[in-house]
Amino acid sequence: DQQVKQNSPSLSVQEGRISILNCDYTNSMFDYFLWYKKYPAEGPTFLISISSIKDKNEDGRFTVFLNKSAKHLSLHIVPSQPGDSAVYFCAASDFINTGTASKLTFGTGTRLQVTL
Amino acid sequence: DAGITQSPRHKVTETGTPVTLRCHQTENHRYMYWYRQDPGHGLRLLPYSYGVKDTDKGEVSDGYSVSRSKTEDFLLTLESATSSQTSVYFCAISDDRELLGDEQFFGPGTRLTVL
Repeated sequence: DQQVKQNSPSLSVQEGRISILNCDYTNSMFDYFLWYKKYPAEGPTFLISISSIKDKNEDGRFTVFLNKSAKHLSLHIVPSQPGDSAVYFCAASDFINTGTASKLTFGTGTRLQVTL
Repeated sequence: DAGITQSPRHKVTETGTPVTLRCHQTENHRYMYWYRQDPGHGLRLLPYSYGVKDTDKGEVSDGYSVSRSKTEDFLLTLESATSSQTSVYFCAISDDRELLGDEQFFGPGTRLTVL
């Protein structure tokens, strides 16, 4: 059962406009959420995160919104740039009981294409 | 960039042969993970390590074993490779939540093809 879902496999946005990527989760034990960006032939790189006690986190052009009651988060990119074209993965975190680390559960990804 | 390397970067092998992938870190992070990435599945957690000689199962564990004899090296072994294990494998590292939060840092990946 997919605990983290990204229902849009792809998204195309014009340069300068807003990109909105969505993510839904089912496990209410998740306490931290992250977005990763992935270019072809590279590993995922961390983009932005949000704790479950917040509803918004902003970092430059990137803002993540969390709606806990709806178990939904979204990533807003404003303005979108051609270099933002990549696959974006949503991830949710909960504790590993064996230590002080967390375990990430990833969504299936959304491929963002920013067109000129 | 976090100091994580993976070897080999590409591997083609035949069904039934053993395969070992290596992950090496220079960050002295406590936790190391293996993931596989497949279309329609995103990244799925394979066995991981929470310390030297300490490992646990992940979301997908059948057909995979891991070993960690020192902090910097984490090995993933497919004891008898099958075509369903054709995938891109990523290693990731993290440290205590209190120190670095929940962020994991990923290596460049190994593309494995099992014929």
